[in-house]
Amino acid sequence: DIQMTQSPSSVSASVGDRVTITCRASQNIGTWLAWYQQTPGRVPELLIYSASALQSGVPSRFSGSGSGTDFTLTISSLQPEDFATYYCQQGKSFPLTFGGGTKVEIK
Amino acid sequence: QVQLVQSGAEVKRTGASVKVSCKASGYTFTGYYVHWLRQAPGQGLEWMGWIKPNSGDTNYTQKFQGRVTMTRDTSISTAYMEVTSLISDDTALYYCARGGATGWFRNWGQGTLVIVSS
Repeated sequence: DIQMTQSPSSVSASVGDRVTITCRASQNIGTWLAWYQQTPGRVPELLIYSASALQSGVPSRFSGSGSGTDFTLTISSLQPEDFATYYCQQGKSFPLTFGGGTKVEIK
Repeated sequence: QVQLVQSGAEVKRTGASVKVSCKASGYTFTGYYVHWLRQAPGQGLEWMGWIKPNSGDTNYTQKFQGRVTMTRDTSISTAYMEVTSLISDDTALYYCARGGATGWFRNWGQGTLVIVSS
């Protein structure tokens, strides 16, 4: 199985801050990577797919980069609605696997 | 618009079975895979497997082999997932999601809470 490791597990930030979350795959997944946002009590929502493609309707302050084993999700200017948990997911091979999540909290 | 509507919450005894449904609308049901995932309370996301609605082919993660069965009824655009021999660790929110054979999940059901108690 491909292991997905996210860091940090939590981050405290203020509105307007730039936030970066990293995700590392245990083997090369090319650009078969997605990012999801989940707010408490809500269903996960796809933000980024193919490592850097923005899902329709997602604000442009979200961006993704990387390939191979190392990936990054960046929120350029944190907004109040962005306080949530973020998950990466590899979509290259079975079983499809997720990172453990990064909780973005209000500082 | 694409919608996946799941059945309601269930409370089951240890050792029982549960069957969750996922009714699709707003797209051609047979054109996309239906994946099943789960999320234990306060935990992360876990992929369980998929069903290909046009053929009924399934692909389960090894962890659930022999205990999970995914089926579908194309006449009503509904997918089902049954989990047998429930244990307390199966207490979770179960989601269906639309996707390809691999890749990611653009559309999710609202989730079905399954509580397993002794």
